[in-house]
Amino acid sequence: EEELLESGGGLVQPGGSLRLSCAASGFRFSNYWMSWVRQAPGKGLEWVANIKEDGSEKYYVDSVKGRFTISRDNIKNSLWLQMSSVRAGDTAVYYCARYRIPGNYFDCWGQGTLVTVSS
Amino acid sequence: DIVMTQSPLSLPVTPGEPASISCRSSQSLLHSNGNNYLDWYLQKPGQSPQLLIYLGSTRASGVPDRFSGSGSGSDFTLKISRVEAEDVGVYYCMQALQSPITFGQGTRLDIK
Repeated sequence: EEELLESGGGLVQPGGSLRLSCAASGFRFSNYWMSWVRQAPGKGLEWVANIKEDGSEKYYVDSVKGRFTISRDNIKNSLWLQMSSVRAGDTAVYYCARYRIPGNYFDCWGQGTLVTVSS
Repeated sequence: DIVMTQSPLSLPVTPGEPASISCRSSQSLLHSNGNNYLDWYLQKPGQSPQLLIYLGSTRASGVPDRFSGSGSGSDFTLKISRVEAEDVGVYYCMQALQSPITFGQGTRLDIK
């Protein structure tokens, strides 16, 4: 069964850092683009970042550029999101998702991990 | 950025009746290759989003055929031919033509 399992969420102070992890199983991780999508409490979905199969291309929403870094390890079947200089507006459930190209759609989602930015 | 606008934002439906959700984009989502880069997702209560439709009209694997997607350019529709209780949740359209990927505000479907 194809599965994505996020971890690493929690309470972090404004200006602090946090690293989210996503463990993939049940599919050949190295063959797929991967993404992070977030959802603020009671709000809609917001795409955060994408990374190419080999990690050579990365894309970010403007609001996190320069603060967040997406990365992956195809040997460990793992995806990460390094969050720095976090703000209250970064409070959200963060989902790891598989991004299918061609077609450009998210076809597998994790259960999410909650990040709360508060003092 | 491409702005996605859904309507209605709330949709109460009687089981067995049809339902329709509209999604409009601020720019055409039709690529020169003929594909419309418009997807539909359903987020059931307490769950992660799940893919329903991609490329405007292609049903994802395992999605019941009562769900259909149509439209082209800037105007798209998700239709449910006969709503069932398990269809409750929030429906999102999403454009993937250009970065940043953007979602609609969501349409909450509930049962009357």
